Amino acid sequence: GAGVSQTPSNKVTEKGKYVELRCDPISGHTALYWYRQSLGQGPEFLIYFQGTGAADDSGLPNDRFFAVRPEGSVSTLKIQRTERGDSAVYLCASSLGQQRTDTQYFGPGTRLTVL
Amino acid sequence: GNSVTQMEGPVTLSEEAFLTINCTYTATGYPSLFWYVQYPGEGLQLLLKATKADDKGSNKGFEATYRKETTSFHLEKGSVQVSDSAVYFCCNAGNNRKLIWGLGTSLAVNP
Repeated sequence: GAGVSQTPSNKVTEKGKYVELRCDPISGHTALYWYRQSLGQGPEFLIYFQGTGAADDSGLPNDRFFAVRPEGSVSTLKIQRTERGDSAVYLCASSLGQQRTDTQYFGPGTRLTVL
Repeated sequence: GNSVTQMEGPVTLSEEAFLTINCTYTATGYPSLFWYVQYPGEGLQLLLKATKADDKGSNKGFEATYRKETTSFHLEKGSVQVSDSAVYFCCNAGNNRKLIWGLGTSLAVNP
């Protein structure tokens, strides 16, 4: 079956620009997560949605980062006034959302490069 | 808060060697524990998990036991293959569901 998909796979932008990263979760999964992974590091949690609402946004680094999931399916991560330090692979995951032990299934990621 | 410390790599082994990758954690309450694997050029995928103390997760010949007394979840395999070459991540999840990750351990298996 279809897994988690993310677009674009690569995004190169200039410092100060606005970017949007999209995530399509597995059909029927109510929970959706965003993480980012810098080179040589483990993923770092950003935000978690249960349905349409952000259940935990404690990992968003500052107010330049914002994410939405208006219909409880597709999610968009938005980054304003990008900085070189935002360069990383942005990962999306989804899970059934019924129990905290549910497996999170990951997409291939979007590699963001800020020049 | 929750944290994970895993063995630094890279680890290089010959085929059929025994593998251990150490992982210890700190957490409030009773977290779930996971090992994820990232094969070259691929995304993260779950290798195994354990959700309570003394549980053993297993998959593809890999095993890990949730040890509450030592706060550990070490990954083991009795005989590695070249196809096991990948980066392995240990992580935990508390009641808030977000995964807290280790830095990853790169494994290279030579024929």
